[in-house]
Amino acid sequence: EVQLLESGGGLVQPGGSLRLSCAASGFTFKNYAMTWVRQAPGKGLQWVSAISDVGSRTYYADSVRGRFTISRDNSKGTLYLQMNSLRADDTAVYYCAKPFYSGSGSHFDYWGLGTLVTVSS
Amino acid sequence: EIVLTQSPATLSLSPGERATLSCRASQSVSSYLAWYQQKPGQAPRLLIYDASNRATGIPARFSGSGSGTDFTLTISSLEPEDFAIYYCQQRSNWPPITFGQGTRLEIK
Repeated sequence: EVQLLESGGGLVQPGGSLRLSCAASGFTFKNYAMTWVRQAPGKGLQWVSAISDVGSRTYYADSVRGRFTISRDNSKGTLYLQMNSLRADDTAVYYCAKPFYSGSGSHFDYWGLGTLVTVSS
Repeated sequence: EIVLTQSPATLSLSPGERATLSCRASQSVSSYLAWYQQKPGQAPRLLIYDASNRATGIPARFSGSGSGTDFTLTISSLEPEDFAIYYCQQRSNWPPITFGQGTRLEIK
């Protein structure tokens, strides 16, 4: 059974940093690109970032480029999102998602439960 | 960036009725469009991929159609558990991958 378990969310002050993790199991993690999607309270879904299967290619939404860094450790089956210079509008539930197709540009057939990031003073 | 516009924003129907949800893309996405269902406090669930293919375990009352810029999600006969928010998502021209703003399907 595919499982994605995010962690690392919490309350942080504007300008602060957080590192999110997503522990994956139940599929061959190293064969799939992975993605982060976020959802602000009461709002819709927003794609944040993606990383290729071996980690050589990364992609970012304009709103986070230069502040967030996606990475992965295939030996641990874990996806990461380092978030720096956080702003109030980064407040959201952050989901990691597995692509239906193995590549980065895909639909998403499995999602984690999400981890809440709140940026507030 | 491809913008996906969903309509209506809210759809009020009764169990047993037919639901028709629309997603329009700002430029062609071919058939690279998916539909998701999201219930409060839950992650999105993939319903339809590549416009018309049901994901694993999705009931046959859910169907998708369309190509290019105009897409439809149809629920043939609403069950109580179908009342939720529905999102479309394109994977044709990315980054960024984009989602529609959602259609809330509520009980009338």
